[in-house]
Amino acid sequence: GAVVSQHPSRVICKSGTSVKIECRSLDFQATTMFWYRQFPKQSLMLMATSNEGSKATYEQGVEKDKFLINHASLTLSTLTVTSAHPEDSSFYICSAGTGTGSDQPQHFGDGTRLSIL
Amino acid sequence: QKEVEQNSGPLSVPEGAIASLNCTYSDRGSQSFFWYRQYSGKSPELIMFIYSNGDKEDGRFTAQLNKASQYVSLLIRDSQPSDSATYLCALRRGSYIPTFGRGTSLIVHP
Repeated sequence: GAVVSQHPSRVICKSGTSVKIECRSLDFQATTMFWYRQFPKQSLMLMATSNEGSKATYEQGVEKDKFLINHASLTLSTLTVTSAHPEDSSFYICSAGTGTGSDQPQHFGDGTRLSIL
Repeated sequence: QKEVEQNSGPLSVPEGAIASLNCTYSDRGSQSFFWYRQYSGKSPELIMFIYSNGDKEDGRFTAQLNKASQYVSLLIRDSQPSDSATYLCALRRGSYIPTFGRGTSLIVHP
């Protein structure tokens, strides 16, 4: 089955640090990947759609200069949380599908738990 | 009206019972429907997907789709404590971004 690898799984760092999270599709190519954020006991919140070779599409209210997304290849998308602050502490999850058709399910990475001190 | 509606629960069932999880949606153009399971502190994992009206069975899981009534459900037979998790309903229309419900918390008690 389709495997999405995400790392690191956990990051603890000081306020003001920039943190990069990687999302890789291991056995398939993904022209589109999605980045989500989830606070404790809350639902998934879509942050942005990452498109290979072009700019990401951000959801309303998500600061594109704060959350930098790069999708430089068909198997790798990165999310960089710039100058992270405690309010950015959350569970960040990426997902990818094997195609863009409606019948393609999304497969999730294991998530990155970010804690900003 | 939210695009995908799920009762947040928790739904509590005894071990061995059938758990029934429901999801309604507003977009009649939705073509594909997915059920994900998310354990606390973990990311969602795909359980099943269904495209056509009717039932689709996979082991202890059965997905049911009724496009006319705009609902999709997931039945879990012989529920086990290890099934305790949040179940997310998702749908997709064409190449549009998948839409997720907020999830239903299921508790299976021994």
